[in-house]
Amino acid sequence: AQSVTQLDSQVPVFEEAPVELRCNYSSSVSVYLFWYVQYPNQGLQLLLKYLSGSTLVESINGFEAEFNKSQTSFHLRKPSVHISDTAEYFCAVSEGGSNYKLTFGKGTLLTVNP
Amino acid sequence: NAGVTQTPKFQVLKTGQSMTLQCAQDMNHEYMSWYRQDPGMGLRLIHYSVGAGITDQGEVPNGYNVSRSTTEDFPLRLLSAAPSQTSVYFCASSAHNEQFFGPGTRLTVL
Repeated sequence: AQSVTQLDSQVPVFEEAPVELRCNYSSSVSVYLFWYVQYPNQGLQLLLKYLSGSTLVESINGFEAEFNKSQTSFHLRKPSVHISDTAEYFCAVSEGGSNYKLTFGKGTLLTVNP
Repeated sequence: NAGVTQTPKFQVLKTGQSMTLQCAQDMNHEYMSWYRQDPGMGLRLIHYSVGAGITDQGEVPNGYNVSRSTTEDFPLRLLSAAPSQTSVYFCASSAHNEQFFGPGTRLTVL
C-alpha cells in the first residue's frame, strides 16, 4: 500500500520569499503524483500533477514540483510567494494508474505574511 | 457545467440518526469517490465507484454505505451516525488522471 508524508504541517513565510513544501511517498509500484490546494472553506483544486515524462512539472500560477524517483519525493516550490497563496496544500499519490483512489498526505498549511 | 455538486453544505445530527449526503456530477465521469477530511489527517478515502452499479471500499468504510444507480449520482449513507463521523465530506469525480472535488458537506454529530 502506498503512503504519503508531508514533513511540515505549517510553513510561515513572508511575502515575496521562496518556499518549498516537502512531500515523500512510498509505493511498491509506479505512481502518479499530485499537489492539491485548498483555500479556506473551499474544496480541493488540482495544482499540478506528474504522470510521466519530464520530472519537472509547473502550474499556471508559478508553482513547480520535481519528481525524484531515487528519493521518492515530489517537493513543491515557488520562487516568490504572494499573500493569495495562503492555503493548505496536499500531496497525493495514486498507484498503478488508478484514476479514482488517491492517498493524501496530512497537508501543509502555508501562511504568507506581509 | 456545474461540475461536482454536494448537498447539504452543513448538517447537524444526533447520535443514532441516519442521513444521506448527496453528490452529483454532470461531466459524465465513470469514476466517483467519497473522502472525509479531519484536522491533521488529510483526506481519507471512504468508498469509490468505477461505474454505475460498481462500488468498493476505501480506507475508512465502516459506518458508511454507498450505491451507484446512475453515472451522475453517488450518495453516501450514514445508517446510524456516531460522533466519530463528525467531519467534512468531499465527493469527487475523475477522468484523465484528475479528480474534481465538490465543495464539501460539513457534518456534526452530537
